Amino acid sequence: DIQMTQSPSSLSASVGDRVTITCRTSQNIFRYLHWYQQKPGKAPKLLIYAASNLQSGVPSRFSGSGSGTDFTLTISSLQPEDFATYYCQRGYIIPWTFGQGTKVEIK
Amino acid sequence: QVQLQESGPGLVKPSETLSLTCTVSGGSISTYSWTWIRQPPGKGLEWIGYIPYSGTTNYNPSLTSRVTISVEKSKNQFSLELTSVTAADTAVYYCARPLGGTNDAFDIWGQGTMVTVSS
Repeated sequence: DIQMTQSPSSLSASVGDRVTITCRTSQNIFRYLHWYQQKPGKAPKLLIYAASNLQSGVPSRFSGSGSGTDFTLTISSLQPEDFATYYCQRGYIIPWTFGQGTKVEIK
Repeated sequence: QVQLQESGPGLVKPSETLSLTCTVSGGSISTYSWTWIRQPPGKGLEWIGYIPYSGTTNYNPSLTSRVTISVEKSKNQFSLELTSVTAADTAVYYCARPLGGTNDAFDIWGQGTMVTVSS
């Protein structure tokens, strides 16, 4: 199995901060890496697909980068509505798996 | 626009079979692939499996001996069956559809349905 490590597991940040979340895989997955936002009681929402493509309707303060084994989600200026849990998810080889999640909390 | 809605029992007894249905509205089930994902309370997401519009189903190896995903085209629905359930199968179950041009980036999700395994 391809191992995935998402970090940090949680972070505290203020409105306006730049936030970075990373996801690392144990094998090359090219660009088969996607990012989701989940709020309590809601289904996940796709933010970034194929490492760096912004999903339609998602604010441009969200961006993704990386390829191979190292990937990053960046929120350039954290907004109040961005406090949530973020997950990376890999495709490429089955089973598709999700990272452990990063909870972004208000400082 | 396409919408998904899960339905099924909210309580299943241990050792019995969990059966859920996802109804697709606003589009045809005869394109795309269709996926089930679950999330135990307070925990992360687990991909269960998917059924393509043509070809064979693919399941998470951790569940493959117990899981079946099928499509009912006439009803525009797809279903999940999970046999011999235990408390570890207690979770919110989501159905999802991938973004066009991908199999594995999910842009459309149902609202989720909570299934509790308990006697």
